Amino acid sequence: KAGVTQTPRYLIKTRGQQVTLSCSPISGHRSVSWYQQTPGQGLQFLFEYFSETQRNKGNFPGRFSGRQFSNSRSEMNVSTLELGDSALYLCASSTDRAGANVLTFGAGSRLTVL
Amino acid sequence: AQTVTQSQPEMSVQEAETVTLSCTYDTSENNYYLFWYKQPPSRQMILVIRQEAYKQQNATENRFSVNFQKAAKSFSLKISDSQLGDTAMYFCAFMEDIITGANSKLTFGKGITLSVRP
Repeated sequence: KAGVTQTPRYLIKTRGQQVTLSCSPISGHRSVSWYQQTPGQGLQFLFEYFSETQRNKGNFPGRFSGRQFSNSRSEMNVSTLELGDSALYLCASSTDRAGANVLTFGAGSRLTVL
Repeated sequence: AQTVTQSQPEMSVQEAETVTLSCTYDTSENNYYLFWYKQPPSRQMILVIRQEAYKQQNATENRFSVNFQKAAKSFSLKISDSQLGDTAMYFCAFMEDIITGANSKLTFGKGITLSVRP
């Protein structure tokens, strides 16, 4: 069974640009959530998508957005990049069961903003 | 809002020995789940163990076990017979139990870097 696939694995952007990251969940998983990992702030929840709808959102500015497609694949977009957006962005997928969803994470996309 | 605290930034253990990683959390919820995740240098976040708050019995997974103290809001991870492959960053995480639906929001601690010495 293939795991959670994130692309690209590494990317470098400059301030003011925008970036789109992609996440393909495990087959059969309908929930996709995104996390930002930085040395200073640690791991922080960005948002979660289920059935093409944003179901939960963390405390991030509107420059951070996402979407989910009918095949459960998800993308997140960061516009007007700032130096502080440099981070490892992790995607996780899970089945949609009430109670504790066990999240399976991808390997992450490492974004560097210059 | 929930908070998760891992006060030890780094720990080191000799191969084959036992090590305990500490975690405390704060919540006003009665129903929730606690997790330990491992992140090796490859960066892939891997679930180590999960504990349901309504269960009094501590969870175990092979060499990994937890000491869950609900009243004290403490959730420590014990690794027995440490192996070189256990070298990684370990994160304690909290998830609220939403009875009416699913929940994918984890609140993480800052993590602890564990080094296993040969």
